[in-house]
Order: sequence, then structure tokens, then C-alpha cells
Amino acid sequence: DAGVTQSPTHLIKTRGQQVTLRCSPKSGHDTVSWYQQALGQGPQFIFQYYEEEERQRGNFPDRFSGHQFPNYSSELNVNALLLGDSALYLCASSLDSRAGGGYEQYFGPGTRLTVT
Amino acid sequence: GENVEQHPSTLSVQEGDSAVIKCTYSDSASNYFPWYKQELGKRPQLIIDIRSNVGEKKDQRIAVTLNKTAKHFSLHITETQPEDSAVYFCASKRDSNYQLIWGAGTKLIIKP
Repeated sequence: DAGVTQSPTHLIKTRGQQVTLRCSPKSGHDTVSWYQQALGQGPQFIFQYYEEEERQRGNFPDRFSGHQFPNYSSELNVNALLLGDSALYLCASSLDSRAGGGYEQYFGPGTRLTVT
Repeated sequence: GENVEQHPSTLSVQEGDSAVIKCTYSDSASNYFPWYKQELGKRPQLIIDIRSNVGEKKDQRIAVTLNKTAKHFSLHITETQPEDSAVYFCASKRDSNYQLIWGAGTKLIIKP
């Protein structure tokens, strides 16, 4: 049973560039949440995708966007990168309660993004 | 807005002793309270969770207690071992909100 996977593991980008991060949820899960974790801090909620739509968003600018595919995998896109976007980007998958899930979220290993 | 306060920020205990980390939440409608363990450079791992209809839950050396009246919940680790060293995060959630509200984390250090 595959857990949550993310790619790439590490990424180095230059200010102003755009980046796409990918996440495959745990087998059987249908919901993907994305988080940003700066060094020494807790995860900050970016948004959550369910049924291929963004259904809740945290306090992040429109430069952060996402997508969910029919197979439940998801992408996080960040445009016009800033130095402050350097962080560990985590995705977490879960099963929606309407499908019998609880609230448990399981995290992938993360993508370490460095913006120079 | 909703928030979760977590204390202490750093906790150092002797190997074999117990450790207790406390969280206070602001949203009285919160009904789900997970605890995550994050080792350096790794992903947060769900170690235990509790729902508001339960006062205590145990899993081997780990237990979580919930006081809904005081809006407090705590993580208890007994017989601590070196591999318990990590950052621990508490979080809360209400039914109508899809996101977890996270505490700031507690760095647990187990001294040999």
C-alpha cells in the first residue's frame, strides 16, 4: 500500500521563476491538502483539493495555485517566486468524511524549495 | 480567529522519565485533535488523535487527554526513549472547517 509521494525532493529556482510540485495521495484517499513549512515553524495551510476543486484556502496569495486530477493526484504551482517562498512544501492526503473517512491526514516527504 | 497555543516550546527530559506537552484551543466547536511527530528533515507523522466525544486515548507509551470545558488537550509520553526526540505538533479541527489549526510545536529532547 503506497503512502503519500511527492516530487521532486529538492528544487532550486531563481526569483521570478515559476515552479510546479506534484503529489500522489495514499491509496484510497481522495483529498489532498498542501502546506508550506518554513524552517523551525509549523506547517501553514495553503489549500485543499477535493473532487478536482479547491474547496478551502489559507492565507496565501494568488501566486499559489493548484490542481487535482481525476486520479486524485495534485499539483501545486507557485508563480513569480520570492525569496520568502523558500520552504518545505508538504502535501497531505485524507479520505473525505462523505466517503467514510475520518479526519486523519497523512503527509508526504515534502519538496524542499530553495529560491535564490 | 481560531488558534492553538502549545507549551512548552522546548522540553528536555531524562531518558525513562515522562514528558507532557499541552495545547489550548480557542474554537469551542473543535472536535478533532491530532498530534504529529516530526523528526529533523522528515515528514510530520500522525502519532495519536482524539475526538471530542472521548476524554482520553492511549496507544502503548503515548496518551492524549482532552478537557473540553477548559479547551485543553495534552500529549503524555511515558518511559521516554532517545527515539522520542523530535518536534511535536498539536492541531485542532472543527467539522465545518477543512483545515487543521496547528500549534507552534514543541522540541522534545531526551537526555541519555
